[in-house]
Amino acid sequence: AQKITQTQPGMFVQEKEAVTLDCTYDTSDPSYGLFWYKQPSSGEMIFLIYQGSYDQQNATEGRYSLNFQKARKSANLVISASQLGDSAMYFCAMSPTYNQGGKLIFGQGTELSVKP
Amino acid sequence: DVKVTQSSRYLVKRTGEKVFLECVQDMDHENMFWYRQDPGLGLRLIYFSYDVKMKEKGDIPEGYSVSREKKERFSLILESASTNQTSMYLCASSLYKGKLTYEQYFGPGTRLTVT
Repeated sequence: AQKITQTQPGMFVQEKEAVTLDCTYDTSDPSYGLFWYKQPSSGEMIFLIYQGSYDQQNATEGRYSLNFQKARKSANLVISASQLGDSAMYFCAMSPTYNQGGKLIFGQGTELSVKP
Repeated sequence: DVKVTQSSRYLVKRTGEKVFLECVQDMDHENMFWYRQDPGLGLRLIYFSYDVKMKEKGDIPEGYSVSREKKERFSLILESASTNQTSMYLCASSLYKGKLTYEQYFGPGTRLTVT
């Protein structure tokens, strides 16, 4: 069965420091996509970063990078230079690319709190 | 910008009521989704639709039905609301990005309380 696991229910980080949010996944599909979303207290889901299973390089988007280790089936999100506005829920998700329409399988989420 | 709107941000209904949650997207996306979000469980897929009048069950369809009569609108129906359906409901539509991948766009969510 396909599954996403986020083992950190909550994390604290000091402002301006880097933080890593863990995500492991389970799939037997050879082709899939991995996503990270941010959900502030207002509730909207904000797309952060995407990694395709065949991408050779780790994805980066500004202060966000995805540490993709295919053999270990992990897709950790690294946020560099944390800001107070980074305080939010973070969700890791997987889309099996054979699936029509790109439905997502989500992890449980990690609540990140940035301390001033 | 893609816009996905949901009819209500907050909704309070009584047990046994029929509840309609409406979702509209303005970018002509073919695929639309309804998710339910609960603390510690993340988002779980209820139903999705890849075309008008087409629907497929997600992981937790029990107690829900959907309707898609027009491409831009996807409705989630709780035939007889129960307290265990108190939750945040998120609608999404998806755009094909190439290389067999899609990007999902989410609505603001509806927080439903069933009393």
